[in-house]
Amino acid sequence: EVHLVESGGGLVQPGGSLTLSCAASGFIFNDYYMTWVRQAPGKGLEWVANIKQDGSAKYYVDSVKGRFTISRDNAKNSVHLQMNNLRAEDSAIYYCARNFETDYWGRGTLVTVSS
Amino acid sequence: DVVMTQSPDSLAVSLGERATINCKSSQSLLSRSNNKNYLAWFQQKPGQPPKMLILWASSRQSGVPDRFSGSGSGTDFTLTISSLQAEDVAVYYCQQYYGVPVAFGQGTRLEV
Repeated sequence: EVHLVESGGGLVQPGGSLTLSCAASGFIFNDYYMTWVRQAPGKGLEWVANIKQDGSAKYYVDSVKGRFTISRDNAKNSVHLQMNNLRAEDSAIYYCARNFETDYWGRGTLVTVSS
Repeated sequence: DVVMTQSPDSLAVSLGERATINCKSSQSLLSRSNNKNYLAWFQQKPGQPPKMLILWASSRQSGVPDRFSGSGSGTDFTLTISSLQAEDVAVYYCQQYYGVPVAFGQGTRLEV
């Protein structure tokens, strides 16, 4: 069974940094793209970033380019999202999802950017 | 960038009746190389993560009831729930995964 568990969310001040992690199990991790998607409170889904199986390609939504970095550790079946220079509009539940088309999702971790 | 637009934004359907949600993409999602449409549908219930229902526009994920069906090609797609059940109350999203940035529609709230 595919299992994705996010961690690392919390309250951070504007301009601060946070690193999210996602632990994966139940599938061959290095066979799949991994993706981060976020959802602001009461809003829709926004794709944030994804990373190729071997980490050789990474893609980002324009609003986070230069501030967020996605990475993965295939030895530890984990994917990470380093978030710098956070803004209020980055406040959301951040979901980790498997594959380019996000076929399985974790339950998410809440990030709140506020002073 | 591909923009996904769903209609309607909200929909009220009686139990046992048919529900239809539309999704339009700003560019074709049909690949000439494999003749597949890079379009998925998701269901999100309150307090839960999204769940993929359909990919490749019309292929149901394992375990998804057959009252859910997807159709369409190119730029116009439809999710149909043939006979609405109480547990189908949720927000539904379409998603294009033809390329980056991957994009979701704004969501359609389905109510009884």
